[in-house]
Amino acid sequence: AQTVTQSQPEMSVQEAETVTLSCTYDTSESNYYLFWYKQPPSRQMILVIRQEAYKQQNATENRFSVNFQKAAKSFSLKISDSQLGDTAMYFCAFMKHMYNAGNNRKLIWGLGTSLAVNP
Amino acid sequence: DAGVTQSPTHLIKTRGQHVTLRCSPISGHKSVSWYQQVLGQGPQFIFQYYEKEERGRGNFPDRFSARQFPNYSSELNVNALLLGDSALYLCASSLVFGGRNEQFFGPGTRLTVL
Repeated sequence: AQTVTQSQPEMSVQEAETVTLSCTYDTSESNYYLFWYKQPPSRQMILVIRQEAYKQQNATENRFSVNFQKAAKSFSLKISDSQLGDTAMYFCAFMKHMYNAGNNRKLIWGLGTSLAVNP
Repeated sequence: DAGVTQSPTHLIKTRGQHVTLRCSPISGHKSVSWYQQVLGQGPQFIFQYYEKEERGRGNFPDRFSARQFPNYSSELNVNALLLGDSALYLCASSLVFGGRNEQFFGPGTRLTVL
């Protein structure tokens, strides 16, 4: 069974600084998807960035980028130029590729990292 | 375009009661998934529906059931509520079954069981 581990329950960063959130996962699959979601206090879960395992290039979305290390099963999120609006819970999630998942396309989630951006 | 909507926003029930939660997906999305998020934890998968058929079920008791309607909206039903059912229930919709299957989430329904 797949598992996702986020080892940092809480982190803080000063505004405009850079912070990296860690995520490791366990799977025997060779092809899958990885996601980082953000959940602000308003509760709305928002997709931050996605990575497809068969792509070697690390995904980037504006100030957000990932360091995907497939052999190490590591998927960290880097937030550059942190803003107050980045304060939220951040969840790492795993999904099997459609060809391996059969009918079940569920997301498997870590416990989350609470990030506080301080002024 | 409207995002995923869920109703009600908040709900308070007592043990043993029944509850129905509702979800409307983004227009054009045919797949709906339900997740339970207990306070302080990551979401746990409950069900996925696509084209009105159940495509996945998580490790939840038979007290949990769901269905998807012809307009692709969905209901999650929980019978014989327990204190441990208190959680945020998230609905997510996706465009197609397959591909990147990016899931878009609603604001959730906060269920409190007393």
